[in-house]
Amino acid sequence: NAGVTQTPKFQVLKTGQSMTLQCAQDMNHNSMYWYRQDPGMGLRLIYYSASEGTTDKGEVPNGYNVSRLNKREFSLRLESAAPSQTSVYFCATGAPGQTQYFGPGTRLLVL
Amino acid sequence: AQTVTQSQPEMSVQEAETVTLSCTYDTSESDYYLFWYKQPPSRQMILVIRQEAYKQQNATENRFSVNFQKAAKSFSLKISDSQLGDAAMYFCAYRRTGSEKLVFGKGTKLTVNP
Repeated sequence: NAGVTQTPKFQVLKTGQSMTLQCAQDMNHNSMYWYRQDPGMGLRLIYYSASEGTTDKGEVPNGYNVSRLNKREFSLRLESAAPSQTSVYFCATGAPGQTQYFGPGTRLLVL
Repeated sequence: AQTVTQSQPEMSVQEAETVTLSCTYDTSESDYYLFWYKQPPSRQMILVIRQEAYKQQNATENRFSVNFQKAAKSFSLKISDSQLGDAAMYFCAYRRTGSEKLVFGKGTKLTVNP
């Protein structure tokens, strides 16, 4: 089992470009999450999905959209990237209220 | 709002010795979970240990154990017999029971000296 996979591993964007970060899990968990990690900071929750068909805002949702495509997949979209969105993005999954398991991360650089 | 504070940005330990990483949190809730995650240079976030607030017994996982002081809102991680592979960033995290939101501290960078 791969656990939680993320694509791409690394991406460079120009300001104003759009992109979608993909996340897939084979752990059969209902809940999925997107976090960002900035230097000197812990992870901060962007959006989460407690079940297929539902999404909710986290701590830092501005500038992002998400789609829970099915139980396995949860994507994060940047419609118009800004330099402030340069970060490492982590997807996570877990049973509701239980331990969260993280993917390997996506490094995003916005120029 | 709940906050998690790790007051030690960096720590170092000699191989085979013991080190304790500190974490305090602020909450008005009585039912919650606490976690320690390890992030090595690969950036993978790896769960080290988990503690349920309703349990008085401190969690242990092999060389890793916690000192959970609920009244003091303190949750420290003790690493015994430190190994070179323990070198990483360590993050303390909190989640209120029934909430999907995991709140992280800013992390402690642990260096293990041979």
